[in-house]
Amino acid sequence: DSGVTQTPKHLITATGQRVTLRCSPRSGDLSVYWYQQSLDQGLQFLIQYYNGEERAKGNILERFSAQQFPDLHSELNLSSLELGDSALYFCASSVSVLAGVSYNEQFFGPGTRLTVL
Amino acid sequence: GENVEQHPSTLSVQEGDSAVIKCTYSDSASNYFPWYKQELGKGPQLIIDIRSNVGEKKDQRIAVTLNKTAKHFSLHITETQPEDSAVYFCAAGGAGSYQLTFGKGTKLSVIP
Repeated sequence: DSGVTQTPKHLITATGQRVTLRCSPRSGDLSVYWYQQSLDQGLQFLIQYYNGEERAKGNILERFSAQQFPDLHSELNLSSLELGDSALYFCASSVSVLAGVSYNEQFFGPGTRLTVL
Repeated sequence: GENVEQHPSTLSVQEGDSAVIKCTYSDSASNYFPWYKQELGKGPQLIIDIRSNVGEKKDQRIAVTLNKTAKHFSLHITETQPEDSAVYFCAAGGAGSYQLTFGKGTKLSVIP
């Protein structure tokens, strides 16, 4: 168990709908990362938040957005869903910087499987 | 941006044999190279990592080597066991950026 939690575990919805995925990082971790994993694309980085602020963006669609709250949990919002958005969505967390030392280690949650019908 | 190539995409070995998975990266600024193991229905689990100031790192049956000049790094698993069967991902990350770029994964099957 990595200490990162994600809810829900499974989500089935229809095209055009909007969903919210939730992530709680490990205790003490300030950074949250979101990844999309599909069969043909592997693990694709979507976005990173550090202590409530957006830090880096990857291949995130405009229909997708995220935020990190003061208690450090994060939500990924997916709207106007398409069939191609069906995938596993993972959240990872890391300390990032502690006492001036950079840490890259990312610890992944169990994921949310999104199915768009 | 960074590009990580991983080979092979599938690998079958007999129990007790060794397995080697290789990755290459494109950005010479990358300095952190983790390996993840993903079992069916689970999230990727960090199993070992190496930084660019180190050439080799070992943890029991797992070792990782890094060749900065050639921009490639490898995962070595010795004395493989059926529970080693999983998908393994390599990744690369750089100083000042905590973003990781992943390879496409290697499905390792250990045959009892």
